[in-house]
Amino acid sequence: KAGVTQTPRYLIKTRGQQVTLSCSPISGHRSVSWYQQTPGQGLQFLFEYFSETQRNKGNFPGRFSGRQFSNSRSEMNVSTLELGDSALYLCASSLDSNEKLFFGSGTQLSVL
Amino acid sequence: QKEVEQDPGPLSVPEGAIVSLNCTYSNSAFQYFMWYRQYSRKGPELLMYTYSSGNKEDGRFTAQVDKSSKYISLFIRDSQPSDSATYLCAMSGSGSARQLTFGSGTQLTVLP
Repeated sequence: KAGVTQTPRYLIKTRGQQVTLSCSPISGHRSVSWYQQTPGQGLQFLFEYFSETQRNKGNFPGRFSGRQFSNSRSEMNVSTLELGDSALYLCASSLDSNEKLFFGSGTQLSVL
Repeated sequence: QKEVEQDPGPLSVPEGAIVSLNCTYSNSAFQYFMWYRQYSRKGPELLMYTYSSGNKEDGRFTAQVDKSSKYISLFIRDSQPSDSATYLCAMSGSGSARQLTFGSGTQLTVLP
């Protein structure tokens, strides 16, 4: 069974630009969550989607948004990039609530 | 004060040693407790998943949860150089949303 797939693996952007990251969950998993990982703050929850609906949102500004498609694939968008947005963005999928969460390898975003 | 506290290490042990990793938490609503292993430039890999208090064993790994003390542990027996990684504790409450709160991670090196 294929794991969680995230694309692209690496991204370099400049301040003010926007970026879209993609995530394909494990087949059959309906919940997709996004996390930001930085050396200073560690892993922080961004949001969770289930059946195309955002079910929970972390404490991030509105520049961070996401969506989920009918095939459970998800995208995350960051607008007006800031230097502090440089991080590893991780996507995780699970069958449903209170199920085990499986992570992808992440997208490493660098904002210059 | 963070909801989940984890000693960042680094921790260095000889091959074959027993490793003990720990986290404390303050939120009594946490019901699900996990340990993840993360290699450099990879996503977290789920090692152990425990609901409520008690012990769980899987091969060389044992997870312990003491909800009365708000303390969780991961023991690694017969440690191997391939166990060298960052270990993250994570926890979440019950309910419909899947939001993990992570510790900051402990960097472990097992010396051959």
